[in-house]
Amino acid sequence: EPEVTQTPSHQVTQMGQEVILRCVPISNHLYFYWYRQILGQKVEFLVSFYNNEISEKSEIFDDQFSVERPDGSNFTLKIRSTKLEDSAMYFCARGWGPQGYEQYFGPGTRLTVT
Amino acid sequence: DAKTTQPPSMDCAEGRAANLPCNHSTISGNEYVYWYRQIHSQGPQYIIHGLKNNETNEMASLIITEDRKSSTLILPHATLRDTAVYYCIVRVEVRTFTFGKGTMLLVSP
Repeated sequence: EPEVTQTPSHQVTQMGQEVILRCVPISNHLYFYWYRQILGQKVEFLVSFYNNEISEKSEIFDDQFSVERPDGSNFTLKIRSTKLEDSAMYFCARGWGPQGYEQYFGPGTRLTVT
Repeated sequence: DAKTTQPPSMDCAEGRAANLPCNHSTISGNEYVYWYRQIHSQGPQYIIHGLKNNETNEMASLIITEDRKSSTLILPHATLRDTAVYYCIVRVEVRTFTFGKGTMLLVSP
């Protein structure tokens, strides 16, 4: 299966700092997603991105979050001012199939906010 | 999206078939059934999905009842590497998934 990779695998940051998490698809895809999973809790949808625009977002995805695809390849999630409760695994997924409904997840980035 | 109910945990012996049930009694006509799994904090892995008909791929089979109110994911010959949390998700064709608590499948030797 075609996959995505994510960098870094682990990011430690101080509260209030900005972080950028990266998702690198193997080849060109139009559909991308970000999810997060706080330790021991459910996987939560954050945002979907289609053709370089946000198509859907959850209540979690507030003004502190942003996504972009700056160079047409890498897909990034930015958290402007991190809080302790942002500590989680962040998963990028790419869509597959005619409408991108099948989603293939990357290995995740573990974000630790201290 | 329709709500799903799955048992919190199941056990299966290695080499045997693992049958994971999912109830979705409020499913509507245009909602698909998706199955994903998550192995120990890795990213969720797509397994299979279907609408009305039974489906089979290289990983598993999906059996959907005629009234579509429940489904079963079948791993025909479970291995130790199939130990994971299995999620049954029912949704319309939008691109967001809502993951529940799933079923923790433990495959033992």
